[in-house]
Amino acid sequence: DAGVTQSPTHLIKTRGQQVTLRCSPKSGHDTVSWYQQALGQGPQFIFQYYEEEERQRGNFPDRFSGHQFPNYSSELNVNALLLGDSALYLCASSTWTGRVTEAFFGQGTRLTVV
Amino acid sequence: QKEVEQDPGPLSVPEGAIVSLNCTYSNSAFQYFMWYRQYSRKGPELLMYTYSSGNKEDGRFTAQVDKSSKYISLFIRDSQPSDSATYLCAPRDSSYKLIFGSGTRLLVRP
Repeated sequence: DAGVTQSPTHLIKTRGQQVTLRCSPKSGHDTVSWYQQALGQGPQFIFQYYEEEERQRGNFPDRFSGHQFPNYSSELNVNALLLGDSALYLCASSTWTGRVTEAFFGQGTRLTVV
Repeated sequence: QKEVEQDPGPLSVPEGAIVSLNCTYSNSAFQYFMWYRQYSRKGPELLMYTYSSGNKEDGRFTAQVDKSSKYISLFIRDSQPSDSATYLCAPRDSSYKLIFGSGTRLLVRP
C-alpha cells in the first residue's frame, strides 16, 4: 500500500516566482492537509481540503492557495515567492474512522527560494 | 507565547537508558495529544496518541498527559540507537489542525 506521496522532492525557485507542489494521499484517505516546516521548527498548518473544499486554514497569507481533485489528490500553490518561503512542505492525509483522525505524512518537498 | 513549547535539545543518552520527552501547552481546548517521530530528511510518522488525561503504553513507549498542568510526556524505555530522531508533540482540539511543538532532537549513543 503506497503511503502519502509528494512531488517533487526538491525544488529551487527564484524570488517572485510561483510554485506548485503535489500530493497523492494514502489509499482510502479523503482529506489532505498541508504543513510548512522551517529548519529547526515543527510543522505549521497551512490548510486542509476535504470534498474538494478548503475546510480550515492556518495563519498563512493568500499567496498560499490549494486545490483538491475528485481523486482526493491535492496541490499547494505559492505565488510571489519570498526567501522566507524556503522550507519543507509536508502533505498529510487522513480519513474519519469514527475515532481520532490519524494523519499520515509524506516525506515532503524541500523548497529553496533564492 | 507559543501554544506548544518543547525543549529543542539535543538530548544525548546511552543505549538502554530511559528517555523522557516533554511538552507544555497553553490551550485548554486541546483534547487529543499526538507524538510524532521524524528522522532526518523524512516526514513525521505517528508514534502514538492519547485522548484527554491519562497514560497509554505501546511497547517501549508510554505517553502521558496531565491536563491540569497542561503537561505532555513521552517515555522511551530501553532506548536504542534507532530511536535517534526528532520527537514532535502535536496536540489537537476539536478542529482538524495539529499544533506542533518545535521538536526535541534525541541521540542514543551505542
